[in-house]
Amino acid sequence: AQSVTQPDIHITVSEGASLELRCNYSYGATPYLFWYVQSPGQGLQLLLKYFSGDTLVQGIKGFEAEFKRSQSSFNLRKPSVHWSDAAEYFCAVGPNSGGYQKVTFGTGTKLQVIP
Amino acid sequence: DAMVIQNPRYQVTQFGKPVTLSCSQTLNHNVMYWYQQKSSQAPKLLFHYYDKDFNNEADTPDNFQSRRPNTSFCFLDIRSPGLGDAAMYLCATSSNRVNSYEQYFGPGTRLTVT
Repeated sequence: AQSVTQPDIHITVSEGASLELRCNYSYGATPYLFWYVQSPGQGLQLLLKYFSGDTLVQGIKGFEAEFKRSQSSFNLRKPSVHWSDAAEYFCAVGPNSGGYQKVTFGTGTKLQVIP
Repeated sequence: DAMVIQNPRYQVTQFGKPVTLSCSQTLNHNVMYWYQQKSSQAPKLLFHYYDKDFNNEADTPDNFQSRRPNTSFCFLDIRSPGLGDAAMYLCATSSNRVNSYEQYFGPGTRLTVT
C-alpha cells in the first residue's frame, strides 16, 4: 500500500528565507508524486508533479521539488519565501502506471511566514 | 478558464436535515472525486466516478451518497447530517490519461451542522 509522511506539522520561516518541506513516501515501484498548496478556506492547487525523467521538477510560484529514490523523498523547496506563501502544503503519491489512480495525501505541513 | 466549481461555498444545515452539495467542471474530465476534509487534516476520499461508474470507499458511511447525471456535474447528498459531518467538502477531477491523472480541485464547500 502507498503512504506519505510529512514529518513537519508546522514550519515558520522569515520572509525572504529559503524553505524546504519534507515528504517521504512508501510505494513498491516508481511513484507518481505531487505537491499541492491549500490557502485557508480554499481548495487544493497543484504546485508540481513528478512522473519520470529529470528528478528536479519545477512548479508554479517559484517552487521546485527533487525526487530522491534512494531516500524515498520528494522535498519541496523555494529559495526565497514570500508572505503570500503562508498556507498548508500537501504531498501526495499515486501509482506510476495506468490511467487514473487513487492518490494518497500526507497530513500536511502548515507554513507560517513572519516579516 | 477551465475549472472546477462548487456551490454553495458555505452551507449551514440542521442536524438530520438532508443537504446536497454540487460540483461542476469545464475540464471535460472523466473522473470526479469527492473528499471530506476536517480541520488540519488531509483530504479523505469518500468516493469517485469514472464516467458513470461509481466507486465507493469502504469506510464511507451510508449516510453519504452521490449522483453524476452527466460528465460535467456531480452531487454529494448527505441524507441525515450529524455534527461529525461538519467539514470542508472538496470536489476534484482528473483525466484518465495514462500517467497524467493529477487532480484539479474546486474551492470547496464548508458545511456547518447546527
